Amino acid sequence: DAGVTQSPTHLIKTRGQQVTLRCSPISGHKSVSWYQQVLGQGPQFIFQYYEKEERGRGNFPDRFSARQFPNYSSELNVNALLLGDSALYLCASSRTVKETQYFGPGTRLLVL
Amino acid sequence: AQSVTQLDSQVPVFEEAPVELRCNYSSSVSVYLFWYVQYPNQGLQLLLKYLSGSTLVKGINGFEAEFNKSQTSFHLRKPSVHISDTAEYFCAVSERDDKIIFGKGTRLHILP
Repeated sequence: DAGVTQSPTHLIKTRGQQVTLRCSPISGHKSVSWYQQVLGQGPQFIFQYYEKEERGRGNFPDRFSARQFPNYSSELNVNALLLGDSALYLCASSRTVKETQYFGPGTRLLVL
Repeated sequence: AQSVTQLDSQVPVFEEAPVELRCNYSSSVSVYLFWYVQYPNQGLQLLLKYLSGSTLVKGINGFEAEFNKSQTSFHLRKPSVHISDTAEYFCAVSERDDKIIFGKGTRLHILP
């Protein structure tokens, strides 16, 4: 079975722009979570979605938003990009909200 | 609130020597505990997890960890490391296996 896939792998944006990151979960997994990993730090929780509903949100500004589609794939949107948004964005999927999360390879975002 | 402390940011170890990566957590309720590994330029891979039951948990690649409730610790061990174990290791905690709180990571350097 394919693992969690994310696109694009790398992205360069300038301050003030908007970005959309995509995630496809493992087949059969209905929950998707997003994490931000700044260089030298552990991942930080941004959102969790299950059955297209937001189930949890971390301490991130409203510039960050996400959604989950009927096929359980997900998008993370970040508006008005700041230099500090430069990070590796990780997507994780699980069968339900209470099961082990499996991570994708991440999207590396650089904001100039 | 949950938190995770990884006591060492870097650990150098000679090849074939044993290693212990330390992790302490804080939480007001029962938790699930995880160790993830991140190889250079890759996403996170689950090494092992503690949900309940036996306090000694065996994972992939010869790693194991011991849950100590009284000391609120979940240290990771391997009896003999290999050069391929060079990576960053993250300890993590979750109260309900949904939002995961990560430590800052420990970089394991294997010396020839």
